[in-house]
Amino acid sequence: DTGVSQDPRHKITKRGQNVTFRCDPISEHNRLYWYRQTLGQGPEFLTYFQNEAQLEKSRLLSDRFSAERPKGSFSTLEIQRTEQGDSAMYLCASSTTGLGDTQYFGPGTRLTVL
Amino acid sequence: AQSVAQPEDQVNVAEGNPLTVKCTYSVSGNPYLFWYVQYPNRGLQFLLKYITGDNLVKGSYGFEAEFNKSQTSFHLKKPSALVSDSALYFCAVRDTSGGSYIPTFGRGTSLIVHP
Repeated sequence: DTGVSQDPRHKITKRGQNVTFRCDPISEHNRLYWYRQTLGQGPEFLTYFQNEAQLEKSRLLSDRFSAERPKGSFSTLEIQRTEQGDSAMYLCASSTTGLGDTQYFGPGTRLTVL
Repeated sequence: AQSVAQPEDQVNVAEGNPLTVKCTYSVSGNPYLFWYVQYPNRGLQFLLKYITGDNLVKGSYGFEAEFNKSQTSFHLKKPSALVSDSALYFCAVRDTSGGSYIPTFGRGTSLIVHP
């Protein structure tokens, strides 16, 4: 069990640029979740996948945010035309589909928009 | 709708003393409840969960939590705190009615254990 990994760990970008983050889940997990966490807050749900199907995306913060999981393994989260308000920690988690499945989190990608 | 509250932003305790981090929740159906810990600039680490069964749940690093349905609470406890327990603790709830797999997290409680 190598855990959930995320890349990059840190990203500094200028306002208006596009950024993409990658998440590799635990290998036997077929559910994958994306969250945003700002200072002093708990994780805020963005979207999730079961295998390659994106089952919930209404909570993506704006149409500048999109996520993919093309082969049901790794996932990418893209933010287009970044704004300073997008600065946050972006967390990925994965789980199985069992009863009361536990989500296991990656280390996160910290985004700073200048 | 589901919600969770962590009424204390910060808890201070001396090393060796018992600690409690409070969590209350609101759901329409039955709850799944989780505790996570977060160290600086790191992701969340799973500590324990309540799904069904015994109201006292034991988890990692000597932590335990008690599910109290009448008080809609799920407080995290440890009999003897360590300085290394100092971190941010998050409670999360998922409502089993409606079939959603999306949890709601509290705002977190900063635990500070003094030597």
